[in-house]
Amino acid sequence: DIQMTQSPSSLSPSVGDRVTITCRASQSIRTYLNWYQQKPGKAPKLLIYTAFSLQSGVPSRFSGSGSGTDFTLTISSLQPEDFATYYCQQSYTPPYTFGQGTKVEI
Amino acid sequence: EVQLVESGGVVVQPGGSLRLSCAASGFSFDTYAMHWVRQAPGKGLEWVSLIGWDSRNIYYGDSVKGRFTVSRDNSKNFLYLQMNSLTTEDTALYYCVKDFRGGGDTWGQGTLVTVSS
Repeated sequence: DIQMTQSPSSLSPSVGDRVTITCRASQSIRTYLNWYQQKPGKAPKLLIYTAFSLQSGVPSRFSGSGSGTDFTLTISSLQPEDFATYYCQQSYTPPYTFGQGTKVEI
Repeated sequence: EVQLVESGGVVVQPGGSLRLSCAASGFSFDTYAMHWVRQAPGKGLEWVSLIGWDSRNIYYGDSVKGRFTVSRDNSKNFLYLQMNSLTTEDTALYYCVKDFRGGGDTWGQGTLVTVSS
């Protein structure tokens, strides 16, 4: 199975900061990488699919990059509503494993 | 409006069985693959299963393989997850998820399964 490792596990930025979360796959997954945002008590929300494609309705301050084994989710200017937990997921081959999550907290 | 509504989550004893259901509406259910994803209390997301639009391609996560069975009824727009030999490790909120490019663009609200004696 492909293992997905996110870093950091948590971070405490300020509103307006540029935030970067990384995700590393244990083998190449080409660009089959998705990013989700989850707020407490809510279902996850798809932000980015196939590494860099912005899901419809997601603000443009979110962006994704990378290919192969190393990927990045960037929030260009953190907004109050962006405090949440972020997960990466590979969809290259089943089982479609998730990273352990990165909590962006105040 | 695209909507997924899960049901069937209850408290069950270890070793027991349970079937979860997911009612889909607002999209052409019979043209989309569907996933089950679970989240233990206070923990991260765990991918459970994928079923193709025509049920020909089915996959499971290692922790549920051989115990869980996913199925679908395209005539009724329903997705199912039959769960057998349940353990306390299966306690989680189970989400039904519509596939989009291998990820999930629509999630239900989840149904809680608690395995406890």
